[in-house]
Amino acid sequence: SQTIHQWPATLVQPVGSPLSLECTVEGTSNPNLYWYRQAAGRGLQLLFYSVGIGQISSEVPQNLSASRPQDRQFILSSKKLLLSDSGFYLCAWMAPGQGFQELFFGEGSRLTVL
Amino acid sequence: AQSVTQPDIHITVSEGASLELRCNYSYGATPYLFWYVQSPGQGLQLLLKYFSGDTLVQGIKGFEAEFKRSQSSFNLRKPSVHWSDAAEYFCAVARLPLGGGATNKLIFGTGTLLAVQP
Repeated sequence: SQTIHQWPATLVQPVGSPLSLECTVEGTSNPNLYWYRQAAGRGLQLLFYSVGIGQISSEVPQNLSASRPQDRQFILSSKKLLLSDSGFYLCAWMAPGQGFQELFFGEGSRLTVL
Repeated sequence: AQSVTQPDIHITVSEGASLELRCNYSYGATPYLFWYVQSPGQGLQLLLKYFSGDTLVQGIKGFEAEFKRSQSSFNLRKPSVHWSDAAEYFCAVARLPLGGGATNKLIFGTGTLLAVQP
């Protein structure tokens, strides 16, 4: 069966420090991968998605970047964190192919920037 | 552009009472619609989805939703709420990428936080 893992689960970082959140999927090949951010009262905002290694699409301009160095690994990064980067970050995957299928979410990473 | 509106930010119901959470979407074609539930500090779990066919969709945990094209709605219902249903609920629509092609992005509403009174 397929599983998705995110780490770290909780992170407290000072303003201006770098960030790296990792997400890996097991039990599937060539998944579509997604990073969402959830801020209080603002629902889920799609940040990045990837349909293959090295293929990253950004949904909104921001202080973050994403990379996909391996088929089932998706990394969210920042060189210098801002206070506004605080939030709950969710990684998700979907089976590849035409049309839309179910999106499966990880357990999330809570980032607090002080 | 596709979008989803959940007009109720917070709802409180008594245990055993019926529940309806509202969701309206904006979409130019037949939408793919979803309801997810999120317990505090957790990821999202799919409750049910609508792709086509029967407009009344059954999901897990006793939930159902009805797709009404004329009202652009996909409201979530449960006949009798349990205390364990307290959580945040998100409606979502699959979004077509610009220029056509495969649908591979999910756009979420802002969520409805459900509290259940004993």
